[in-house]
Amino acid sequence: GAVVSQHPSWVICKSGTSVKIECRSLDFQATTMFWYRQFPKQSLMLMATSNEGSKATYEQGVEKDKFLINHASLTLSTLTVTSAHPEDSSFYICSAEHEQYFGPGTRLTVT
Amino acid sequence: AQKVTQAQTEISVVEKEDVTLDCVYETRDTTYYLFWYKQPPSGELVFLIRRNSFDEQNEISGRYSWNFQKSTSSFNFTITASQVVDSAVYFCALSEATEFQGGKLIFGQGTELSVKP
Repeated sequence: GAVVSQHPSWVICKSGTSVKIECRSLDFQATTMFWYRQFPKQSLMLMATSNEGSKATYEQGVEKDKFLINHASLTLSTLTVTSAHPEDSSFYICSAEHEQYFGPGTRLTVT
Repeated sequence: AQKVTQAQTEISVVEKEDVTLDCVYETRDTTYYLFWYKQPPSGELVFLIRRNSFDEQNEISGRYSWNFQKSTSSFNFTITASQVVDSAVYFCALSEATEFQGGKLIFGQGTELSVKP
């Protein structure tokens, strides 16, 4: 079946630094990928829709200059958290093309 | 506006009990999709089911069953003869995307199920 991977699975970074998270579709092409964020004990909230070859569409309240999304190929979307702060600590999870294809998630901790 | 409500924040049952997780949704669209996901402690989302708005037939898959009722905007999930391995957070979700595009999901708050031996 379809597999979506994310890298890294967890990352700890210092406040003020940037961190990149990759989302890959391993055995299919994905023109559309979705990035979600989940704070502890909370639900998943859609951050943005990543479209291959074009700009991402951000949900209301999500800073596009802080959360940079690049979808340069049909199998890879990246989310870069720029100038990360402790409040950005969260579980970031992507999905590719269809609702049942989720990555395993990336746990970001900003110290 | 779309909304998904899972009123049960936490449920605790003893192994072999049946348990029903409630899900109520709101949408103005006539075409939509409903989902259930399981999120074990590892964090990854496990897809359980997708149901479109035109298919109100109940579904059974092993110990899992789903009851979709448009009249009450509900899509409830029942686990029969629960097992410890069923312990997880379960999310109900709604999407208004078309079949072939995949879509944005609106998630409910989740229900944390604890099955004790």
